[in-house]
Amino acid sequence: KAGVTQTPRYLIKTRGQQVTLSCSPISGHRSVSWYQQTPGQGLQFLFEYFSETQRNKGNFPGRFSGRQFSNSRSEMNVSTLELGDSALYLCASSLDSPSTDTQYFGPGTRLTVL
Amino acid sequence: GDSVTQMEGPVTLSEEAFLTINCTYTATGYPSLFWYVQYPGEGLQLLLKATKADDKGSNKGFEATYRKETTSFHLEKGSVQVSDSAVYFCALINQAGTALIFGKGTTLSVSS
Repeated sequence: KAGVTQTPRYLIKTRGQQVTLSCSPISGHRSVSWYQQTPGQGLQFLFEYFSETQRNKGNFPGRFSGRQFSNSRSEMNVSTLELGDSALYLCASSLDSPSTDTQYFGPGTRLTVL
Repeated sequence: GDSVTQMEGPVTLSEEAFLTINCTYTATGYPSLFWYVQYPGEGLQLLLKATKADDKGSNKGFEATYRKETTSFHLEKGSVQVSDSAVYFCALINQAGTALIFGKGTTLSVSS
């Protein structure tokens, strides 16, 4: 079974721009979560989607948003990029819920904001 | 709130040495505990997990036991290899069951 895939793997943007990242979960997984990884803050939870609805949200500003499609694929969007948004963005999928099912991570998208 | 504390790295070992990476947690109740590993340039891979007290998770020679008395989940391996060089993250599922909370990560470097 194919793992979690994320595209693109690398992105370079400038301040003020917006960016969209994509995640395809493991087949049959309906929950998709997003995490931000930075050297200073470590791994932090952004949000989780299930059945095309945002079910949970971490403590990030409204510039960070996402959505999920009927095939469980998910996208996250960051608007008005800031230098501090430079990070590795990781997507994780689980069968139904992170509370009961193991989360499997993709390789991540490395975003650099100049 | 829920939190995970793991030993600072880097940890530098010779091949075939014994490995321990300490992890303690603060949480309400008894959350599931995890060790994830991140190889250079890659995402996180689940290494092992334990879902209740006294459970032992194991995989690829790594082991960790869920100790509720000491709120710990230390990672051990009897004989490390160069290929084990990576960053190791201890994590728990938060009280609400909505997200993983990670430690800061411990970098392991194994030389031959």
